[in-house]
Amino acid sequence: DTAVSQTPKYLVTQMGNDKSIKCEQNLGHDTMYWYKQDSKKFLKIMFSYNNKELIINETVPNRFSPKSPDKAHLNLHINSLELGDSAVYFCASSQEMDQPQHFGDGTRLSIL
Amino acid sequence: AQSVTQLDSHVSVSEGTPVLLRCNYSSSYSPSLFWYVQHPNKGLQLLLKYTSAATLVKGINGFEAEFKKSETSFHLTKPSAHMSDAAEYFCVVSGSSNTGKLIFGQGTTLQVKP
Repeated sequence: DTAVSQTPKYLVTQMGNDKSIKCEQNLGHDTMYWYKQDSKKFLKIMFSYNNKELIINETVPNRFSPKSPDKAHLNLHINSLELGDSAVYFCASSQEMDQPQHFGDGTRLSIL
Repeated sequence: AQSVTQLDSHVSVSEGTPVLLRCNYSSSYSPSLFWYVQHPNKGLQLLLKYTSAATLVKGINGFEAEFKKSETSFHLTKPSAHMSDAAEYFCVVSGSSNTGKLIFGQGTTLQVKP
């Protein structure tokens, strides 16, 4: 059983479109995260939610909006996609905020 | 502010020889430190975690790391490399304020030659 699952795995779309990436965890964790990995493999946190409450909101354009309908889900919606949004986006979860994080396999977003 | 520096962007070893991946950290308080591994087209998997208990931390797949406060280092080692160890390795430090924020190093690509 997949612990942290993201859909879709690949997303190819045109500049200016709006898209969403979904994340679900079946570990019963309280905290979920979104990370962005750029072409040089550098990873940076974007958002975190604890019990559906926004905890971390790094310097991310407001075109990016996370939504947590319940503790097991944290979706990422991106408006007006730009070329620079091309990256791999990882979802992660942890039991509590200071516990090790479990990562999904990533969503590779390519903007044409 | 917390930061982490991985001293080698690429390490190449022969199968069966020791592995050393170097990491230095900077932290204004006693940090939590992690090593994660990323295989191609996969997410990150936790190898090991240091949280101020024993300074020598044993992880999965035969890896271990030693926390050295005097040197601000947390190097990852393995006595004998296996072909399946070829991957990207990230040294990670916890951010301040206990929010779960992780600060990643730049990554080290480990190549294992037959």
